[in-house]
Amino acid sequence: QKEVEQDPGPLSVPEGAIVSLNCTYSNSAFQYFMWYRQYSRKGPELLMYTYSSGNKEDGRFTAQVDKSSKYISLFIRDSQPSDSATYLCAMSALRGTSYDKVIFGPGTSLSVIP
Amino acid sequence: DTAVSQTPKYLVTQMGNDKSIKCEQNLGHDTMYWYKQDSKKFLKIMFSYNNKELIINETVPNRFSPKSPDKAHLNLHINSLELGDSAVYFCASSQAYSGNLSGELFFGEGSRLTVL
Repeated sequence: QKEVEQDPGPLSVPEGAIVSLNCTYSNSAFQYFMWYRQYSRKGPELLMYTYSSGNKEDGRFTAQVDKSSKYISLFIRDSQPSDSATYLCAMSALRGTSYDKVIFGPGTSLSVIP
Repeated sequence: DTAVSQTPKYLVTQMGNDKSIKCEQNLGHDTMYWYKQDSKKFLKIMFSYNNKELIINETVPNRFSPKSPDKAHLNLHINSLELGDSAVYFCASSQAYSGNLSGELFFGEGSRLTVL
Protein backbone atom coordinates (compact mmCIF):
# COMPACT_ATOMS: atom_id res chain seq x y z
CA GLN A 1 0.00 0.00 0.00
CA LYS A 2 1.37 3.41 -0.98
CA GLU A 3 1.74 5.94 1.82
CA VAL A 4 -0.55 8.41 0.08
CA GLU A 5 -3.37 7.43 -2.28
CA GLN A 6 -5.25 9.73 -4.60
CA ASP A 7 -7.69 9.06 -7.42
CA PRO A 8 -5.78 10.07 -10.56
CA GLY A 9 -8.90 11.01 -12.52
CA PRO A 10 -9.12 12.57 -15.00
CA LEU A 11 -11.98 14.58 -13.58
CA SER A 12 -14.00 16.74 -15.95
CA VAL A 13 -16.59 19.21 -14.64
CA PRO A 14 -18.59 22.12 -16.09
CA GLU A 15 -17.66 25.67 -15.15
CA GLY A 16 -19.28 26.72 -11.88
CA ALA A 17 -19.37 23.21 -10.42
CA ILE A 18 -18.15 22.33 -6.95
CA VAL A 19 -15.14 20.04 -7.14
CA SER A 20 -14.08 17.61 -4.45
CA LEU A 21 -10.56 16.15 -4.52
CA ASN A 22 -9.50 13.58 -1.95
CA CYS A 23 -6.51 11.73 -0.56
CA THR A 24 -6.11 8.96 1.95
CA TYR A 25 -2.94 8.12 3.82
CA SER A 26 -1.66 5.31 5.98
CA ASN A 27 1.00 6.93 8.20
CA SER A 28 -0.49 8.40 11.37
CA ALA A 29 2.72 10.42 11.85
CA PHE A 30 1.63 12.76 9.06
CA GLN A 31 0.71 16.00 10.77
CA TYR A 32 1.18 18.65 8.08
CA PHE A 33 -1.00 18.60 5.00
CA MET A 34 -0.70 20.51 1.76
CA TRP A 35 -2.27 20.83 -1.65
CA TYR A 36 -0.12 21.71 -4.63
CA ARG A 37 -1.44 22.70 -8.03
CA GLN A 38 0.48 21.87 -11.20
CA TYR A 39 -0.36 23.38 -14.56
CA SER A 40 0.68 21.55 -17.69
CA ARG A 41 4.43 21.74 -18.37
CA LYS A 42 5.04 23.66 -15.13
CA GLY A 43 6.31 22.85 -11.66
CA PRO A 44 3.87 22.36 -8.76
CA GLU A 45 2.92 25.41 -6.66
CA LEU A 46 1.65 25.41 -3.10
CA LEU A 47 -2.06 26.13 -2.95
CA MET A 48 -2.99 25.55 0.69
CA TYR A 49 -1.62 23.99 3.83
CA THR A 50 -2.86 23.05 7.29
CA TYR A 51 -1.39 21.52 10.39
CA SER A 52 -4.59 20.46 12.05
CA SER A 53 -7.84 18.64 11.60
CA GLY A 54 -10.84 20.63 10.46
CA ASN A 55 -11.38 23.11 7.67
CA LYS A 56 -9.28 25.93 6.26
CA GLU A 57 -10.75 28.30 3.72
CA ASP A 58 -9.03 30.56 1.18
CA GLY A 59 -11.33 32.21 -1.33
CA ARG A 60 -12.97 29.52 -3.44
CA PHE A 61 -10.77 26.80 -1.93
CA THR A 62 -11.41 24.83 1.26
CA ALA A 63 -9.00 22.25 2.66
CA GLN A 64 -10.38 19.67 5.05
CA VAL A 65 -8.44 17.21 7.20
CA ASP A 66 -9.86 14.27 9.12
CA LYS A 67 -6.96 12.68 10.97
CA SER A 68 -9.12 9.99 12.57
CA SER A 69 -10.02 8.67 9.12
CA LYS A 70 -6.63 9.57 7.59
CA TYR A 71 -8.48 11.48 4.87
CA ILE A 72 -7.94 14.93 3.41
CA SER A 73 -10.01 16.85 0.88
CA LEU A 74 -9.81 19.96 -1.24
CA PHE A 75 -13.05 21.63 -2.31
CA ILE A 76 -13.18 24.15 -5.13
CA ARG A 77 -16.32 26.27 -5.32
CA ASP A 78 -17.50 27.97 -8.52
CA SER A 79 -14.80 26.21 -10.51
CA GLN A 80 -13.23 28.13 -13.38
CA PRO A 81 -11.45 26.98 -16.55
CA SER A 82 -8.27 28.44 -15.01
CA ASP A 83 -8.56 25.78 -12.28
CA SER A 84 -7.79 23.10 -14.88
CA ALA A 85 -4.60 21.51 -13.59
CA THR A 86 -3.28 18.51 -11.69
CA TYR A 87 -3.83 18.72 -7.94
CA LEU A 88 -1.33 16.94 -5.73
CA CYS A 89 -1.94 16.32 -2.06
CA ALA A 90 1.21 16.28 0.03
CA MET A 91 2.03 15.61 3.63
CA SER A 92 4.85 15.60 6.10
CA ALA A 93 5.42 13.55 9.25
CA LEU A 94 6.39 15.04 12.60
CA ARG A 95 9.58 13.41 13.87
CA GLY A 96 10.38 14.66 17.33
CA THR A 97 10.23 18.43 16.95
CA SER A 98 10.97 18.58 13.24
CA TYR A 99 8.98 17.81 10.14
CA ASP A 100 10.27 15.20 7.74
CA LYS A 101 10.42 15.36 3.95
CA VAL A 102 7.22 16.05 2.02
CA ILE A 103 5.52 13.02 0.48
CA PHE A 104 3.25 13.60 -2.52
CA GLY A 105 0.17 11.78 -3.68
CA PRO A 106 0.01 10.80 -7.36
CA GLY A 107 -2.20 13.77 -8.30
CA THR A 108 -5.69 14.20 -9.75
CA SER A 109 -6.06 15.75 -13.18
CA LEU A 110 -8.93 18.26 -13.31
CA SER A 111 -10.50 19.85 -16.38
CA VAL A 112 -13.11 22.59 -16.00
CA ILE A 113 -15.12 22.93 -19.19
CA PRO A 114 -16.44 26.42 -20.10
CA ASP B 1 13.27 36.88 -12.14
CA THR B 2 12.92 33.11 -12.09
CA ALA B 3 13.14 31.81 -8.51
CA VAL B 4 14.23 28.24 -9.32
CA SER B 5 15.69 27.70 -12.75
CA GLN B 6 16.87 24.47 -14.24
CA THR B 7 18.56 23.65 -17.54
CA PRO B 8 18.04 22.12 -19.95
CA LYS B 9 14.23 22.04 -20.21
CA TYR B 10 14.35 19.17 -22.66
CA LEU B 11 16.86 16.36 -23.08
CA VAL B 12 16.65 13.59 -25.66
CA THR B 13 19.46 11.07 -25.56
CA GLN B 14 20.40 7.49 -26.28
CA MET B 15 20.57 4.67 -23.75
CA GLY B 16 23.98 4.37 -22.17
CA ASN B 17 24.83 8.07 -22.42
CA ASP B 18 25.69 10.34 -19.48
CA LYS B 19 23.81 13.62 -18.95
CA SER B 20 23.60 16.44 -16.43
CA ILE B 21 20.84 18.78 -15.32
CA LYS B 22 21.67 22.03 -13.56
CA CYS B 23 19.59 23.91 -11.01
CA GLU B 24 19.95 27.32 -9.42
CA GLN B 25 17.75 29.15 -6.92
CA ASN B 26 17.86 32.84 -6.07
CA LEU B 27 15.51 32.67 -3.08
CA GLY B 28 18.24 32.42 -0.48
CA HIS B 29 16.92 29.04 0.68
CA ASP B 30 19.11 26.58 2.56
CA THR B 31 17.61 23.38 1.22
CA MET B 32 17.38 22.07 -2.33
CA TYR B 33 15.83 18.91 -3.74
CA TRP B 34 15.59 16.74 -6.79
CA TYR B 35 12.21 15.13 -7.52
CA LYS B 36 11.34 12.70 -10.29
CA GLN B 37 7.86 12.79 -11.87
CA ASP B 38 6.91 9.78 -13.95
CA SER B 39 4.38 9.57 -16.77
CA LYS B 40 1.54 9.11 -14.26
CA LYS B 41 2.44 12.40 -12.57
CA PHE B 42 3.73 10.65 -9.45
CA LEU B 43 6.26 13.01 -7.83
CA LYS B 44 8.93 11.23 -5.84
CA ILE B 45 11.81 12.73 -3.88
CA MET B 46 15.30 11.61 -4.88
CA PHE B 47 17.78 13.78 -2.98
CA SER B 48 17.93 16.75 -0.66
CA TYR B 49 20.83 19.00 0.27
CA ASN B 50 20.98 21.46 3.14
CA ASN B 51 23.78 24.01 2.89
CA LYS B 52 25.71 21.77 0.48
CA GLU B 53 25.30 18.72 2.74
CA LEU B 54 23.36 15.65 1.59
CA ILE B 55 20.50 15.03 4.01
CA ILE B 56 18.11 12.84 2.03
CA ASN B 57 19.15 10.07 -0.31
CA GLU B 58 16.20 7.94 -1.27
CA THR B 59 16.56 4.53 -2.88
CA VAL B 60 17.99 5.80 -6.13
CA PRO B 61 20.45 3.89 -8.37
CA ASN B 62 24.11 4.85 -7.97
CA ARG B 63 24.01 6.07 -11.56
CA PHE B 64 22.39 9.22 -10.19
CA SER B 65 24.83 11.55 -8.48
CA PRO B 66 23.84 14.95 -7.13
CA LYS B 67 26.37 17.71 -6.53
CA SER B 68 25.91 20.95 -4.65
CA PRO B 69 28.81 23.39 -5.17
CA ASP B 70 27.07 25.98 -2.99
CA LYS B 71 23.68 26.36 -1.35
CA ALA B 72 22.19 28.08 -4.40
CA HIS B 73 23.06 25.30 -6.82
CA LEU B 74 22.20 21.62 -7.03
CA ASN B 75 23.12 19.63 -10.11
CA LEU B 76 22.16 16.10 -11.08
CA HIS B 77 24.42 13.84 -13.12
CA ILE B 78 23.09 10.60 -14.54
CA ASN B 79 25.42 7.89 -15.86
CA SER B 80 24.58 5.07 -18.25
CA LEU B 81 21.06 6.25 -18.95
CA GLU B 82 18.31 3.62 -19.17
CA LEU B 83 14.86 3.70 -20.77
CA GLY B 84 13.25 3.79 -17.31
CA ASP B 85 15.02 7.06 -16.53
CA SER B 86 12.67 8.85 -18.92
CA ALA B 87 10.71 11.28 -16.74
CA VAL B 88 10.46 14.92 -15.78
CA TYR B 89 13.04 15.90 -13.17
CA PHE B 90 12.14 18.80 -10.91
CA CYS B 91 14.48 20.82 -8.81
CA ALA B 92 12.98 22.52 -5.75
CA SER B 93 14.08 24.61 -2.82
CA SER B 94 12.69 25.45 0.59
CA GLN B 95 13.71 27.28 3.73
CA ALA B 96 14.22 24.62 6.39
CA TYR B 97 13.97 26.24 9.82
CA SER B 98 15.46 24.14 12.64
CA GLY B 99 15.68 21.07 10.47
CA ASN B 100 12.05 21.21 9.38
CA LEU B 101 11.69 19.98 5.84
CA SER B 102 8.02 20.84 5.55
CA GLY B 103 8.49 24.43 4.38
CA GLU B 104 6.87 25.49 1.13
CA LEU B 105 8.59 23.92 -1.81
CA PHE B 106 9.40 26.16 -4.77
CA PHE B 107 9.77 24.14 -7.93
CA GLY B 108 11.54 24.81 -11.17
CA GLU B 109 9.73 24.20 -14.45
CA GLY B 110 11.19 20.74 -14.85
CA SER B 111 13.64 19.04 -17.19
CA ARG B 112 11.97 16.53 -19.47
CA LEU B 113 14.34 13.63 -20.12
CA THR B 114 13.62 11.15 -22.90
CA VAL B 115 15.89 8.14 -23.24
CA LEU B 116 15.68 6.34 -26.60
